[in-house]
Amino acid sequence: KNEVEQSPQNLTAQEGEFITINCSYSVGISALHWLQQHPGGGIVSLFMLSSGKKKHGRLIATINIQEKHSSLHITASHPRDSAVYICAVRSNGTASKLTFGTGTRLQVTL
Amino acid sequence: DAMVIQNPRYQVTQFGKPVTLSCSQTLNHNVMYWYQQKSSQAPKLLFHYYDKDFNNEADTPDNFQSRRPNTSFCFLDIRSPGLGDAAMYLCATSRDPSNSNQPQHFGDGTRLSIL
Repeated sequence: KNEVEQSPQNLTAQEGEFITINCSYSVGISALHWLQQHPGGGIVSLFMLSSGKKKHGRLIATINIQEKHSSLHITASHPRDSAVYICAVRSNGTASKLTFGTGTRLQVTL
Repeated sequence: DAMVIQNPRYQVTQFGKPVTLSCSQTLNHNVMYWYQQKSSQAPKLLFHYYDKDFNNEADTPDNFQSRRPNTSFCFLDIRSPGLGDAAMYLCATSRDPSNSNQPQHFGDGTRLSIL
């Protein structure tokens, strides 16, 4: 079992839909990242959080440390949101190392 | 302005011919990382530099080497590329990693193809 599990692996939505991507992890962490990767492109850091909730535009990230779970929400989705969304955690005691989930491939259609 | 810059974006090399990928940063960050990402897989950390200290991951093949001549630049050298080394190579930086509030900043990656 991977230390970082994401669901769903693939997601198709229509423009305007509310989207949720989930991340569960099995280790103690000091921080959790949500990253976005467009096809053939580099990685953009969307959020880094260690507690609570963060919001940036149409994106919202939440984390529940006790349940070892985080969610990324996209409100009013748009085709330009189509990308792979990756959850990555920084474990306690390994300050430099990120452990990545395998990503959720999101396709938003008109 | 791009803060982590990788060159080139696309690199083609021949089987067994050494190749070097470049990463530079304008953030003055202490730590620079190299990741390998194969198709449809999660990025895999190869190694990182904390200032001049090199930290290799246990499962990184000897074929992969790295150099950091100064704070701004870090190179990934593949001594004898095999077909299995075709991948996207991502560079990232962060400030002092002992502070868990410091995010990693990623470059756009170099996609390496092996002929």
